[in-house]
This record gives sequence, C-alpha cells and structure tokens, in this order.
Amino acid sequence: GESVGLHLPTLSVQEGDNSIINCAYSNSASDYFIWYKQESGKGPQFIIDIRSNMDKRQGQRVTVLLNKTVKHLSLQIAATQPGDSAVYFCAENLNTGFQKLVFGTGTRLLVSP
Amino acid sequence: NAGVTQTPKFQVLKTGQSMTLQCAQDMNHEYMSWYRQDPGMGLRLIHYSVGAGITDQGEVPNGYNVSRSTTEDFPLRLLSAAPSQTSVYFCASRRVMNTEAFFGQGTRLTVV
Repeated sequence: GESVGLHLPTLSVQEGDNSIINCAYSNSASDYFIWYKQESGKGPQFIIDIRSNMDKRQGQRVTVLLNKTVKHLSLQIAATQPGDSAVYFCAENLNTGFQKLVFGTGTRLLVSP
Repeated sequence: NAGVTQTPKFQVLKTGQSMTLQCAQDMNHEYMSWYRQDPGMGLRLIHYSVGAGITDQGEVPNGYNVSRSTTEDFPLRLLSAAPSQTSVYFCASRRVMNTEAFFGQGTRLTVV
C-alpha cells in the first residue's frame, strides 16, 4: 500500500462531525489557493479553490476560509463521512516570476463510523 | 477523456542508471509540472513549464532534467539515478495561471 504520509499530522473525527483542517502558507505574494484530497495510491484531486480577493468560498459540504493577515487557510468539511478519509493538502500559487503551485505538508483525516 | 497520463506506473532502477518518466495531457493545457512526494514531505516541485519551449526549476531540481517540445508532453529525465530519488512522482497540468492543477496517477520509482 501507499506509504506516503507516515509522519503527517492527523485529525481523527467521528462520522457526522464537522472537520476543520488548517494550513499556514508561506508567501504574501500568493494570490490563489487550492485544497486537494489524496487517497491512498492516487494522485491529488481538486476539492475547492479561492482567490486572494475573497475570504470565504463554499462548495458542496466544504468551505474554504482565507485569512491573508496571518497567512492562514482552512478547509471545513460538514457532516464528515468515512469516504472523506484521506490526506488533504493546501497549495498556493506563487505569483513571483513564472507562476508555480507549491504544496503544504498535508494533514491526514481519519473518519470513524 | 484521458486527462494526465503518466508512464510507467512502477519502476525499479539500479544506482547510476538513467530513465525518462513520461507525462502526457490531452487538455491543451499550457502549464505542466513535475512533483515528487516523499513520506511526511508533501509534494515538492521539481520542474515546471509555462508553455512549449519554456521551463524553469522548482524547489528540488537537482538530478532531474526536463524539456517541453510540445504542448502535450513533458518528460522528466533522471540522468544518473540515486537512492535519494526513490519517491512517488506526479505530473500535473493547468490550463492557465490561477486555475486548478490536474494530476496523473503517479509513478512509483525505487532506486536500489
């Protein structure tokens, strides 16, 4: 099986709870942010994004909050389900020279039935 | 609709061997990138390209070469493999800047 993420911070929740995953980004020049979900043995999958001129964006069961003052991003998952168990990454688009997308370390979410 | 296709899925190399990891996308995306993923390290950017003929280095470029001769393809070359290059490699593409990146399924590389 996939061995990525052995030392990742882990959030354990019960099914039906709301989950909040946090991310500190590094560069005040970043202008676009994405949350990705990665299941074992697969590539990252897009969840939701937000541009720097916004502080909140909602999707289906997910909300992203952006606090540019403290360079903090959070992902809220409502009514967490066992299928939400995965590793979650935030990514920031560095707007310096050529645009490039860089990733945070990630958080493992474990959902118990 | 293939999206981003990486080959091979698995590879074992001996130290000093060379190989090329292939990446192809059929979405006509301008931006393509290579990342490596190690336990506890998240995804680290190796090289990226903003269009055919234009490439630049990411966070961990040493030991890897890239070129972009077409919009569709962005191969990653290891000239002399080292055990430190054992990792899972992901290729990604983006339509333009400030849009989501689409990822391939990864190549698991082991260097012995």
